[in-house]
Amino acid sequence: KAGVTQTPRYLIKTRGQQVTLSCSPISGHRSVSWYQQTPGQGLQFLFEYFSETQRNKGNFPGRFSGRQFSNSRSEMNVSTLELGDSALYLCASSRTGTGNYGYTFGSGTRLTVV
Amino acid sequence: DAKTTQPNSMESNEEEPVHLPCNHSTISGTDYIHWYRQLPSQGPEYVIHGLTSNVNNRMASLAIAEDRKSSTLILHRATLRDAAVYYCTPSINAGGTSYGKLTFGQGTILTVHP
Repeated sequence: KAGVTQTPRYLIKTRGQQVTLSCSPISGHRSVSWYQQTPGQGLQFLFEYFSETQRNKGNFPGRFSGRQFSNSRSEMNVSTLELGDSALYLCASSRTGTGNYGYTFGSGTRLTVV
Repeated sequence: DAKTTQPNSMESNEEEPVHLPCNHSTISGTDYIHWYRQLPSQGPEYVIHGLTSNVNNRMASLAIAEDRKSSTLILHRATLRDAAVYYCTPSINAGGTSYGKLTFGQGTILTVHP
């Protein structure tokens, strides 16, 4: 079966711009989580969506937002980009998002802010 | 967040078994223990997860201590393709601020020698 698809794979943006990243989960998975990975901070949880509702949010500023559509596809948006936002952004899908099922990660979007 | 402790690095020879330990003394009785591995520039890959009893799948085995304060991921015959960063992460099962969230530490870098 198809895995988790993240687009685009690479992005270069300028400080102050905004960016939208996309994630298509595995068919039948209704939970989509987003993570930021940097060399210094490792993998950090951004937020989780289930049935178009944000159920959980990590400790990130309001510039980071997301949404989920009725087909479970999800997008995350970062406004007013800062140099420190350069990172690998990963999404993970799961049937329920409650830990009793494993999570499947996408290959990520590599964002570089210049 | 629940804390996990893993060795920074481990080494193994090809075709030998590998036992990767993880301490997670702060998890509660309903929290699942998940293991993922990650290759450079890729998203984490699900390996295995469990709650109380030992678990086996085609990739690995998971041995969970009776008191659940620690677990061990067992790769029965290491191959060069098993070289990766291995993460042990609890999946807190408490609703609310735990939905869709895995808490990653620094993981264990596994080196496999031919």
